[in-house]
Amino acid sequence: SQQGEEDPQALSIQEGENATMNCSYKTSINNLQWYRQNSGRGLVHLILIRSNEREKHSGRLRVTLDTSKKSSSLLITASRAADTASYFCATDREYGNKLVFGAGTILRVKS
Amino acid sequence: DSGVTQTPKHLITATGQRVTLRCSPRSGDLSVYWYQQSLDQGLQFLIQYYNGEERAKGNILERFSAQQFPDLHSELNLSSLELGDSALYFCASSVHGDTEAFFGQGTRLTVV
Repeated sequence: SQQGEEDPQALSIQEGENATMNCSYKTSINNLQWYRQNSGRGLVHLILIRSNEREKHSGRLRVTLDTSKKSSSLLITASRAADTASYFCATDREYGNKLVFGAGTILRVKS
Repeated sequence: DSGVTQTPKHLITATGQRVTLRCSPRSGDLSVYWYQQSLDQGLQFLIQYYNGEERAKGNILERFSAQQFPDLHSELNLSSLELGDSALYFCASSVHGDTEAFFGQGTRLTVV
């Protein structure tokens, strides 16, 4: 079964609005990562947040991590049509090595 | 460009056949992952190698096998192919097992 579960499954917003995606996981982790995938292409790493961090920023991206709730959120501010893609969270379990991905959130930004 | 190279980009083959997918990781990356992405199963972890040794195994079928060579490139072998094996197969690499992974563009396998 998937370690990470993204929510919502799909999100449609207007350009300029903010988009928030959530990820929940089940076991203790070393870190949590967010990736983006344009249709049929390879995944692109966006941001990594370690288990001892609570918030991280990268440009228009803001990621939070709540280890007590085993959840993370990805906020994309001032969205653009080019942000249209699928977004995945991936976890690296404590003492583990493999990255386990959730099913993803499909984001559509309308111009 | 992620620095991870996968060949071939597309592969069409018949049921029952065997194919080999190849992955060259980023320079300096010791860890290689293989993933399968299909519409109904999502992104599934298959197997991970670290510096030539198998490190973790996921939902990899017995008909599938992989290895990582001394030069760190990896191959995924798929045999006795079935229609349901049609999918995108991604390779990813990272420096270690707990750092960000960089993905190749994938091999699209179509079994007919």
